[in-house]
Amino acid sequence: AQSVTQLDSQVPVFEEAPVELRCNYSSSVSVYLFWYVQYPNQGLQLLLKYLSGSTLVKGINGFEAEFNKSQTSFHLRKPSVHISDTAEYFCAVRYQKVTFGTGTKLQVIP
Amino acid sequence: DVKVTQSSRYLVKRTGEKVFLECVQDMDHENMFWYRQDPGLGLRLIYFSYDVKMKEKGDIPEGYSVSREKKERFSLILESASTNQTSMYLCASCPWGATTEAFFGQGTRLTVV
Repeated sequence: AQSVTQLDSQVPVFEEAPVELRCNYSSSVSVYLFWYVQYPNQGLQLLLKYLSGSTLVKGINGFEAEFNKSQTSFHLRKPSVHISDTAEYFCAVRYQKVTFGTGTKLQVIP
Repeated sequence: DVKVTQSSRYLVKRTGEKVFLECVQDMDHENMFWYRQDPGLGLRLIYFSYDVKMKEKGDIPEGYSVSREKKERFSLILESASTNQTSMYLCASCPWGATTEAFFGQGTRLTVV
């Protein structure tokens, strides 16, 4: 069985400030990790993924995430957010099926 | 580009009606998924299919069934719609193999009155 925990349901942050969205997972087998973004009234779009190799993964729109096996975490970061980053972000793990966290709403304040 | 198309963006149905949600993908993916998305609950897997005519229950299959007669099409069926099935429904597809991300449709917002 696999599960994903996103502890923060909402994260408000001022424009141009850094942000970290937290994700922890559990699984009895090796899984692959993903971050998706969902803009209002749209489907999900892939931000980045970790498959193997370097634990620091860079994605689109300036986002990056770090895989930490010992802490079973895959936190998402951006050094300077923009208004257009306001969206809901989902962490996911995949072995066969894809399991999602409950999502974090990022609200960027001008 | 991969395209996953859901037949309706918005749908309003009456309690007790039989409802069909259709999803088509154009990339010859083996795997297809149906999720429902509710505030505070994230995406919950209803059913998935890894091949034509094959299906597996997800985490919340009760009240739903699915059909996959062709590789590109995966239908979600609500046999008798109820108000607690009012939700956003998202279809996704991906190739076989865990290293590939899932590609999503735009979603269908279903309201059951």
